[in-house]
Amino acid sequence: DTGVSQNPRHKITKRGQNVTFRCDPISEHNRLYWYRQTLGQGPEFLTYFQNEAQLEKSRLLSDRFSAERPKGSFSTLEIQRTEQGDSAMYLCASSQTGNTEAFFGQGTRLTVV
Amino acid sequence: KQEVTQIPAALSVPEGENLVLNCSFTDSAIYNLQWFRQDPGKGLTSLLLIQSSQREQTSGRLNASLDKSSGRSTLYIAASQPGDSATYLCAVTQGGKLIFGQGTELSVKP
Repeated sequence: DTGVSQNPRHKITKRGQNVTFRCDPISEHNRLYWYRQTLGQGPEFLTYFQNEAQLEKSRLLSDRFSAERPKGSFSTLEIQRTEQGDSAMYLCASSQTGNTEAFFGQGTRLTVV
Repeated sequence: KQEVTQIPAALSVPEGENLVLNCSFTDSAIYNLQWFRQDPGKGLTSLLLIQSSQREQTSGRLNASLDKSSGRSTLYIAASQPGDSATYLCAVTQGGKLIFGQGTELSVKP
């Protein structure tokens, strides 16, 4: 198993454009999380899935953000009409249900210019 | 609302020193606590997971303790090395998700 995989690693986009990120979790993990991290801060929770069901979405997440996990496998995070404030590292993690260890991917660094 | 705090925000030590990083949380109703390491521009690497029923976990030169009643955890690093330089993050699991502190940036000088 190669761990949690995120693509792309880096994305530069113009303000107002839409972007989509992909996360492939560890194969036997049924939970998948998305976090956002800005410089000097800890990761901030965005949303998480158990299998294909989105169980929670942060109130901080605007309507421009949407996440899916079709068939409970990989997940995508889409940001519509990007703003400069969306510039951050977007992190994906996966775990098994229960009190188990969470593993993170290498992240996608988004820069909105 | 759960809040996780890490002190100090930054720490610089000479190589070979033993050190302790601190993590505190406001709500003791947690499932577990996990310590991570993050290198600049990279993702998070899991170091240790302590279940809520446990008091400590050890891995190599690392030892993490958990005192749920007081809302505190410590990460002890023995005989620090320059390769230990990174940001260390603690996170508690509550309500199905991880809640992070802001991290401690550690620099180990040769």
